[in-house]
Amino acid sequence: AQSVTQLDSHVSVSEGTPVLLRCNYSSSYSPSLFWYVQHPNKGLQLLLKYTSAATLVKGINGFEAEFKKSETSFHLTKPSAHMSDAAEYFCVVEEDSSYKLIFGSGTRLLVRP
Amino acid sequence: EAQVTQNPRYLITVTGKKLTVTCSQNMNHEYMSWYRQDPGLGLRQIYYSMNVEVTDKGDVPEGYKVSRKEKRNFPLILESPSPNQTSLYFCASTLGQGATEAFFGQGTRLTVV
Repeated sequence: AQSVTQLDSHVSVSEGTPVLLRCNYSSSYSPSLFWYVQHPNKGLQLLLKYTSAATLVKGINGFEAEFKKSETSFHLTKPSAHMSDAAEYFCVVEEDSSYKLIFGSGTRLLVRP
Repeated sequence: EAQVTQNPRYLITVTGKKLTVTCSQNMNHEYMSWYRQDPGLGLRQIYYSMNVEVTDKGDVPEGYKVSRKEKRNFPLILESPSPNQTSLYFCASTLGQGATEAFFGQGTRLTVV
């Protein structure tokens, strides 16, 4: 069965510094992977998705993620954090091409001025 | 505008009083699902529907019912709510047919006292 582990429950960075949110997945085949963002009192918005094309995936708002099969990782990065990036981020894997999404426990990103 | 609409956004109710949370999508998506979000647990799937009149249990279905009489609507029913169903609920829809991106509603914050 697929699963997702987000390695940090909270990450704090200063504005203008790089962001790294870590995610490891478990899957018996080549999965579809996603990052979603949830701003306070808002729904979930898709940041980016990997579906077995290029291993480096670019998303919205300057975020990108790299699929590394050998490490079973799909870490989310951004070169320079902005105050508006403060939110909760979820790493997600699709289960067995079934459209069912398996969520990680989330990483709350804090951005300090 | 393509969207998933949930109502109500906030609801406080008493134990045992039946309630329904509505979900509607205007994108002609085949696949719809309900998730609940609890701190530290990410989102967990309650029920899903592959198409009209086709529904099935997700990971945490106890205490919930759903129906899919029309393609656009997928209500979540709590016949006898209990305090452990206090949570943030999200409805999501996916086109299906190999397209995996899920679109989420704004969420319904339910408190059962």
